[in-house]
Amino acid sequence: DAKTTQPPSMDCAEGRAANLPCNHSTISGNEYVYWYRQIHSQGPQYIIHGLKNNETNEMASLIITEDRKSSTLILPHATLRDTAVYYCIVRWYTGTASKLTFGTGTRLQVML
Amino acid sequence: EPEVTQTPSHQVTQMGQEVILRCVPISNHLYFYWYRQILGQKVEFLVSFYNNEISEKSEIFDDQFSVERPDGSNFTLKIRSTKLEDSAMYFCASGSAGTQNTEAFFGQGTRLTVV
Repeated sequence: DAKTTQPPSMDCAEGRAANLPCNHSTISGNEYVYWYRQIHSQGPQYIIHGLKNNETNEMASLIITEDRKSSTLILPHATLRDTAVYYCIVRWYTGTASKLTFGTGTRLQVML
Repeated sequence: EPEVTQTPSHQVTQMGQEVILRCVPISNHLYFYWYRQILGQKVEFLVSFYNNEISEKSEIFDDQFSVERPDGSNFTLKIRSTKLEDSAMYFCASGSAGTQNTEAFFGQGTRLTVV
């Protein structure tokens, strides 16, 4: 799986958009970008994933650059409950579900 | 909303004892996983399971570990002879098949403490 690089920590004011960047310059054509988060020591929570098009769901938006070498997860209106470690993961898709390789992620602190 | 459930939430065991961690995956899912997280460290992949057999395992998943799907609903991780360094949060995950729905959903974990 391609390696990802994320800033170790970020702060965001409550109510503002949180933009979490991720670099994955060695991503290959059949690798997807996944985002998960982990609140305290709970199980990782799936947020969103994409291949090359931008994606949006009820939790977040995923913007992938045209060359696919980087992406940004956007939480449009961050709340205190969004304080968590966010993981950007590149995952090889084979038609079966392969493993997720977690890095150290970005610790997002949402502040009042 | 369907979820992955794990039991127990916390297990304390003596070194050398066998322990079985239990998981009930989401009902129509076909892929099952175990991950672990030692306190303060990364989430690490242990094993994936599909069609009643292991499809991939990590170096951590040595002969002390085994997985089983004993019936249509449970998925278990057995550690035969626990060591102090097996103390960690163990997360079960499951995923469905398909071209798009390949995200894995995680349970809330079992905290294993080996004393």
